[in-house]
Amino acid sequence: GQQLNQSPQSMFIQEGEDVSMNCTSSSIFNTWLWYKQDPGEGPVLLIALYKAGELTSNGRLTAQFGITRKDSFLNISASIPSDVGIYFCAGLTQGAQKLVFGQGTRLTINP
Amino acid sequence: DGGITQSPKYLFRKEGQNVTLSCEQNLNHDAMYWYRQDPGQGLRLIYYSQIVNDFQKGDIAEGYSVSREKKESFPLTVTSAQKNPTAFYLCASSDHPGQTAGETQYFGPGTRLLVL
Repeated sequence: GQQLNQSPQSMFIQEGEDVSMNCTSSSIFNTWLWYKQDPGEGPVLLIALYKAGELTSNGRLTAQFGITRKDSFLNISASIPSDVGIYFCAGLTQGAQKLVFGQGTRLTINP
Repeated sequence: DGGITQSPKYLFRKEGQNVTLSCEQNLNHDAMYWYRQDPGQGLRLIYYSQIVNDFQKGDIAEGYSVSREKKESFPLTVTSAQKNPTAFYLCASSDHPGQTAGETQYFGPGTRLLVL
């Protein structure tokens, strides 16, 4: 089946640093979604991307739909303690009925 | 407020017992989904439904059953055939699968199932 490779698996950074993570696949995607999950809670949608090359921001978060349609990137600028959590990418290929999820990037911030 | 609710937050199951997890949405979404999440792992699809009275198996449907009698409700039953049911269960919904932006899924708060 289709797979999404999300990296890195975990990140340990200092407060105030910028963060970058990405998802790649050998398949072409029509939709890319980025979610954040806090411990014991459901994932919350951060950014949705529907067009190749699209660059969308949500506060300090910026995500891009790769021009090849096989990857997506999420950047967080000037990280703060509440950014801690697990970030998931998800994508949908043409004609598919189910989202494919990455394995998640666990972000830890040292104050 | 519009959203997805799951109940209970925590559920305990005895060996050999069936338990049902509730998922309700008032977003008027067509599609609903059930995922299982194990510690430190990603999401695995159990079942999904794109329309009332219809549902399809996901990647790990064995030991689970669902029904979709109403648009707003998609209960999941964890049967005694599921030998390792301890996990975090997440319900999600999306507006119009197959349409641009329609596949975006919104998640409930989750139910943690523990086996006694």
